[in-house]
Amino acid sequence: DTAVSQTPKYLVTQMGNDKSIKCEQNLGHDTMYWYKQDSKKFLKIMFSYNNKELIINETVPNRFSPKSPDKAHLNLHINSLELGDSAVYFCASSQVRGDNEQFFGPGTRLTVL
Amino acid sequence: GENVEQHPSTLSVQEGDSAVIKCTYSDSASNYFPWYKQELGKGPQLIIDIRSNVGEKKDQRIAVTLNKTAKHFSLHITETQPEDSAVYFCAASDRNTGKLIFGQGTTLQVKP
Repeated sequence: DTAVSQTPKYLVTQMGNDKSIKCEQNLGHDTMYWYKQDSKKFLKIMFSYNNKELIINETVPNRFSPKSPDKAHLNLHINSLELGDSAVYFCASSQVRGDNEQFFGPGTRLTVL
Repeated sequence: GENVEQHPSTLSVQEGDSAVIKCTYSDSASNYFPWYKQELGKGPQLIIDIRSNVGEKKDQRIAVTLNKTAKHFSLHITETQPEDSAVYFCAASDRNTGKLIFGQGTTLQVKP
């Protein structure tokens, strides 16, 4: 009965590789997000989709590309991985966009060697 | 855009004592202020939120106060327990974009 799930939980890879993180929510929410949490625990939004439409696109390198095949899924593709990409990535969802509770997934710890 | 400052960065209290975490925000148009708790190895989880038309909200041992004039809001935890130990984040909603801007986080340690 997991609300927001992410796979994989851990991802260790070499610089220059391309990797994907998958996210699924079974809450019937319209809006999904990707956040990056750095080593100092700082949590920053990267992208947000509402009903498969991109609505927030922060200043993120274009090596990062979100894809939403349907409103229950939001995947994150990262090309040409760099050392600085190492972080914990969280997916989240909310019923609608705007001022309401966001439900976070368990996170994916990405380590780039 | 919105900017949120959170203090202190770490807080250590004895079990049973109270803990207070404070945040300030920059955009007077923000109207939604949630607090999230993040336990080790898990994603943040909402514990309480407050909207700008309310000055205070309480849920059992947790309370949040909002001062719109001063643009600051605070989290109060009473009768702290070891299981309250976690990282706590405040956030403010950017009125223009609808995105949440998070504070830097406070690591709370409750000593038994």
